Amino acid sequence: QQQVKQSPQSLIVQKGGISIINCAYENTAFDYFPWYQQFPGKGPALLIAIRPDVSEKKEGRFTISFNKSAKQFSLHIMDSQPGDSATYFCAASKSGQFNDYKLSFGAGTTVTVRA
Amino acid sequence: DTGVSQDPRHKITKRGQNVTFRCDPISEHNRLYWYRQTLGQGPEFLTYFQNEAQLEKSRLLSDRFSAERPKGSFSTLEIQRTEQGDSAMYLCASSRQGLLSGANVLTFGAGSRLTVL
Repeated sequence: QQQVKQSPQSLIVQKGGISIINCAYENTAFDYFPWYQQFPGKGPALLIAIRPDVSEKKEGRFTISFNKSAKQFSLHIMDSQPGDSATYFCAASKSGQFNDYKLSFGAGTTVTVRA
Repeated sequence: DTGVSQDPRHKITKRGQNVTFRCDPISEHNRLYWYRQTLGQGPEFLTYFQNEAQLEKSRLLSDRFSAERPKGSFSTLEIQRTEQGDSAMYLCASSRQGLLSGANVLTFGAGSRLTVL
């Protein structure tokens, strides 16, 4: 049972363009939503994360938009660069000091940025 | 570098053999997680430890799988009587429990890739 659904499976964008990846979740107990970036042969690395008390979070060229009522969140990569070519995973978990932070991941989106 | 270390990085084995993977977490992290990732999929949760206690196991973790974290430091994941369906990347992650900035962020290792022939 996949708790986080991610789309698209892959996308190709020109250098300088915008990449948009969407995720939807079912479990209303989730309150921590990170995005991970994974390069071939490497483990996933945290890129940016958001909690549902805000609707948007921006770090550099990466922005998360969060819609609590729709149970959806998305990653926008602005001014995409060839070095951004990677697989991106959205994830969700319950947070709080005594929660497990066990992440449920989406299936991933492979982003290819063409120079 | 004091990141999460996993060993071996690659393991090829024949069906029916036992394999063991080791994970060394970041030293101050008290939580340790094992995930499995198959080609084209996101990581799937297998189990996690808080210190030496194994607090949860996924239904994906059949009786052939066992994980330990003696003394709350490194962890091992053993697969007995391997099957071709066990072929995957086994990822370890660790985190530090707490409310301070940076706490509870999962840091992943590079993974151990298992191929069962």
